[in-house]
Amino acid sequence: EIVLTQSPATLSLSPGERATLSCRASQSVRNYLAWYQQKPGQAPRLLIYDASNRATGIPARFSGSGSGTYFTLTISSLEPEDFAVYYCQQRGNWPQYSFGQGTRLEI
Amino acid sequence: QVQLVQSGAEVKKPGASVKVSCKASGYTFIRYSMHWVRQAPGQRPEYMGWINAGNGDTKYSQKFQGRVTITRDTSATTLYMELSSLRSEDTAVYYCGRDGIRADGYMGYWGQGTLVTVSS
Repeated sequence: EIVLTQSPATLSLSPGERATLSCRASQSVRNYLAWYQQKPGQAPRLLIYDASNRATGIPARFSGSGSGTYFTLTISSLEPEDFAVYYCQQRGNWPQYSFGQGTRLEI
Repeated sequence: QVQLVQSGAEVKKPGASVKVSCKASGYTFIRYSMHWVRQAPGQRPEYMGWINAGNGDTKYSQKFQGRVTITRDTSATTLYMELSSLRSEDTAVYYCGRDGIRADGYMGYWGQGTLVTVSS
């Protein structure tokens, strides 16, 4: 099983600041990694897939990078609606897909 | 627009089975693979399995192999997930998801979730 470890667990920032979230895989997943945003009481929302591709309708302030075992999600300038929990998910080991434990982005 | 509407909350006793449905609309059902993911309170999402909505092929995460069955009804454009031998640890919100556009293997569209509570 591929284990995804996200850091930090919690990130405290202010609107307008830049956020950088990390996800490390226990073995290579090539570029088969996605990022999701989840708000309380809602389903996750796909932001980035295959490490660096923005999903349909996702603002340009969200960007992803990385390959192999280390990935980052960057939010260039935080908007109030960006404060949420973010998860990474790998599809490099089908069908044993897995999610990271999440990073809480708080004001 | 793409919509995935799931069945309502369930309360089950340990040892029972539960079957959750997911009605899809707004796109050609057989063209996209579908997934089931669950999320226990305060926990990360957990992947359960996949179905090719076109031909019905399924793959299950090892953790759920033997306990989960994913099916679909193409005429009703509805996806189903049945989980058997329920235990308290299966209490979670269960989500169906559809592949994203050009994003195979990732859930670009999600149902609203179905809370399954397992309690004696």
